[in-house]
Amino acid sequence: DGGITQSPKYLFRKEGQNVTLSCEQNLNHDAMYWYRQDPGQGLRLIYYSQIVNDFQKGDIAEGYSVSREKKESFPLTVTSAQKNPTAFYLCASSIRQGYNEQFFGPGTRLTVL
Amino acid sequence: DQQVKQNSPSLSVQEGRISILNCDYTNSMFDYFLWYKKYPAEGPTFLISISSIKDKNEDGRFTVFLNKSAKHLSLHIVPSQPGDSAVYFCAASYGGATNKLIFGTGTLLAVQP
Repeated sequence: DGGITQSPKYLFRKEGQNVTLSCEQNLNHDAMYWYRQDPGQGLRLIYYSQIVNDFQKGDIAEGYSVSREKKESFPLTVTSAQKNPTAFYLCASSIRQGYNEQFFGPGTRLTVL
Repeated sequence: DQQVKQNSPSLSVQEGRISILNCDYTNSMFDYFLWYKKYPAEGPTFLISISSIKDKNEDGRFTVFLNKSAKHLSLHIVPSQPGDSAVYFCAASYGGATNKLIFGTGTLLAVQP
């Protein structure tokens, strides 16, 4: 059963701590993305990766870091430099670069206390 | 600078009637448009899309219309069902080597039984 998994569903961290959000896909998709959703706002792109070992900053990359060591995995680290980390984080993938349709995971709700 | 706008934060419709969700964009370079449906605390699911070379695309109860001269697209759902109640996001892409999606802020559709 192919899809995108994100874990955990809910995550709580203390202010000043780094936290890593997991994203795994078994769709054999080349491209992967991280978005952030805040109340009343659309999804905003944090980072994206078109192929393994390569990634680019999106519109709101400050305070975040990513890695793409394996095709199926694209973890996102929310660092202490991110000023407003509490949000709903969504991971997505698409078949290949240039292909428009993206498939989304279930999301992780991060709350920083 | 919001390139994709959904000016109606919410819409309420009676079951069986037509739901019309609207989306405006400012970037004339966009060449592909998508609609996603999202339930609370879940990832968005792809609904329907349209290329800029078309002005209409239909899939069952869902039809998307594109008016390039007005930079406007709309999603029609007919007949509306209570299960359609969700947040609907429109997204736009200008293709090329990357397929970054630019999302609108979403419209909450409530279908009343």
